[in-house]
Amino acid sequence: DSGVTQTPKHLITATGQRVTLRCSPRSGDLSVYWYQQSLDQGLQFLIHYYNGEERAKGNILERFSAQQFPDLHSELNLSSLELGDSALYFCASSVALRSAESPLHFGNGTRLTVT
Amino acid sequence: GENVEQHPSTLSVQEGDSAVIKCTYSDSASNYFPWYKQELGKGPQLIIDIRSNVGEKKDQRIAVTLNKTAKHFSLHITETQPEDSAVYFCAASSNTDKLIFGTGTRLQVFP
Repeated sequence: DSGVTQTPKHLITATGQRVTLRCSPRSGDLSVYWYQQSLDQGLQFLIHYYNGEERAKGNILERFSAQQFPDLHSELNLSSLELGDSALYFCASSVALRSAESPLHFGNGTRLTVT
Repeated sequence: GENVEQHPSTLSVQEGDSAVIKCTYSDSASNYFPWYKQELGKGPQLIIDIRSNVGEKKDQRIAVTLNKTAKHFSLHITETQPEDSAVYFCAASSNTDKLIFGTGTRLQVFP
């Protein structure tokens, strides 16, 4: 168990809808990262927050947004969903600001299916 | 931009044989190279990592080598066991806030 909790585990929704994915980092970790993993694809970096502030953006669509709250949990909001958004969404946390300074610990992901 | 290429995409070995997975990276400022193992239905788990000031690191049956000049690094698993079957990801990080992953290698170890 990595200590990172993601909810829900599974989510099925229709095109055009909006969903919110939630991540609770390990106790003491200030960094939260979001990654998208499509079928047979690698892990695509979406966004990184550190102690409530956005630190880096990857290939995140404008329809997607995220935030990290004062209690350090994070939410990823996906709107105007398309079939191609179906994927596994992972959250990872670490204690340090930079990914090179301490390992990332991943949750078990949220599987999003858009029908 | 930063890019990490990983080969092969699939690898099948007999139990007891060795397995090698190779990655190359594009950002010469990269200085941290972790390897993750992802089992079915789970998130990736760190299995070993190496920093740019070291050429090789070993942990029991797992070893990682780094060639900074050529910008490539490799994962070596010796005496493979069926429980080593999983998807393995390499990654590279420079002094930015991004950890960029390779596309993964599906390793199957046959008894």
